[in-house]
Amino acid sequence: KNQVEQSPQSLIILEGKNCTLQCNYTVSPFSNLRWYKQDTGRGPVSLTIMTFSENTKSNRRYTATLDADTKQSSLHITASQLSDSASYICVVSAANYGGATNKLIFGTGTLLAVQP
Amino acid sequence: DTGVSQDPRHKITKRGQNVTFRCDPISEHNRLYWYRQTLGQGPEFLTYFQNEAQLEKSRLLSDRFSAERPKGSFSTLEIQRTEQGDSAMYLCASSPPARRSYNEQFFGPGTRLTVL
Repeated sequence: KNQVEQSPQSLIILEGKNCTLQCNYTVSPFSNLRWYKQDTGRGPVSLTIMTFSENTKSNRRYTATLDADTKQSSLHITASQLSDSASYICVVSAANYGGATNKLIFGTGTLLAVQP
Repeated sequence: DTGVSQDPRHKITKRGQNVTFRCDPISEHNRLYWYRQTLGQGPEFLTYFQNEAQLEKSRLLSDRFSAERPKGSFSTLEIQRTEQGDSAMYLCASSPPARRSYNEQFFGPGTRLTVL
């Protein structure tokens, strides 16, 4: 069964500190993995998209890693800001060669709270 | 703002009433998706359109749910005889033609439905 699991479920850190969020998946065949940031009451916003051949990708203070062998990904946030408080959702796209679209399998998210 | 827009942003209705939501995708995005998200969960796929054709429907989409995209531009999602279990955030996403992207989906702000 295609699944995406994230940890921790929630996290509280102080402003300025770093943190790392984890994502494990059992999706096959794998197409790509993305991390979304979702503010409370808003739609998800894409942070990064990583394909099979990419190990690391950075976007400002966000750095995502992907290990396709162990089927793990992480999202590292550097020098956290209050505005980083949000839910971070790991999404894996399963290649759907016979279908109309690649399937997106969503994790349940990690709820991050950055405190002053 | 050229992003995905949804209307209304919030809807409160009584059990048994019908509701209709609208989604305007990013122009030139030929693919449109509807998702449902409950508190603390990731989005769940409901249905997918490519242009005006509804190509995929989830088993979550019961007979009370219907979605249309009559001219291949905006889409509507209607829920008939609403139930309290329908209370959720309804997200719409769009993506450009497959050859241009990794099926990257751009989400709207969502419509928050509360059924009393």
